Amino acid sequence: EAGVAQSPRYKIIEKRQSVAFWCNPISGHATLYWYQQILGQGPKLLIQFQNNGVVDDSQLPKDRFSAERLKGVDSTLKIQPAKLEDSAVYLCASSSTTGTSIDFGPGTRLTVT
Amino acid sequence: QKEVEQNSGPLSVPEGAIASLNCTYSDRGSQSFFWYRQYSGKSPELIMSIYSNGDKEDGRFTAQLNKASQYVSLLIRDSQPSDSATYLCAVNSGGSNYKLTFGKGTLLTVNP
Repeated sequence: EAGVAQSPRYKIIEKRQSVAFWCNPISGHATLYWYQQILGQGPKLLIQFQNNGVVDDSQLPKDRFSAERLKGVDSTLKIQPAKLEDSAVYLCASSSTTGTSIDFGPGTRLTVT
Repeated sequence: QKEVEQNSGPLSVPEGAIASLNCTYSDRGSQSFFWYRQYSGKSPELIMSIYSNGDKEDGRFTAQLNKASQYVSLLIRDSQPSDSATYLCAVNSGGSNYKLTFGKGTLLTVNP
């Protein structure tokens, strides 16, 4: 089966600009996650969707980050405006209730200058 | 705030040795536990999962779980240079709707 797809793979923007990331989960996976991984740290959950509903967005900085999952499949994560501390790898992951864990996509490396 | 702590590392072992990675967690309601391996510049990949107290072996990898002590460990026997990576401990508090909290990771280097 095809894995989790993400684009773009790399993005460089200046602070105060906006950026959007796209994710396509594994087919049939109802749950989709966005994680932020800052260099030297473990992934931190930003938002979790179950189909197209939000399960957990408690760690999403809602003043600048937004995410949506239309039709319960693809998802986009947006940052507006970006700050220097948003420089990180943004990992999309998906899971099914019959799976053994969550599967990660390749990530998008964001650099904010 | 659910917390997952890992030994800070970095950990360096010679080829053929046993590498021991440790993890503690704060949420007593956690139900399943995972070890992910992350090569530099790559995304995490699942290598082991454990659900019950005791040991679980898969090839050169053994995961150990002690829920009373809130402790999970990963042993890598006959370590190879290809095992050099960051190992992330993840704790699930969401049942079959996985809700994983990750530790910071331990960087393992296996020296030829």
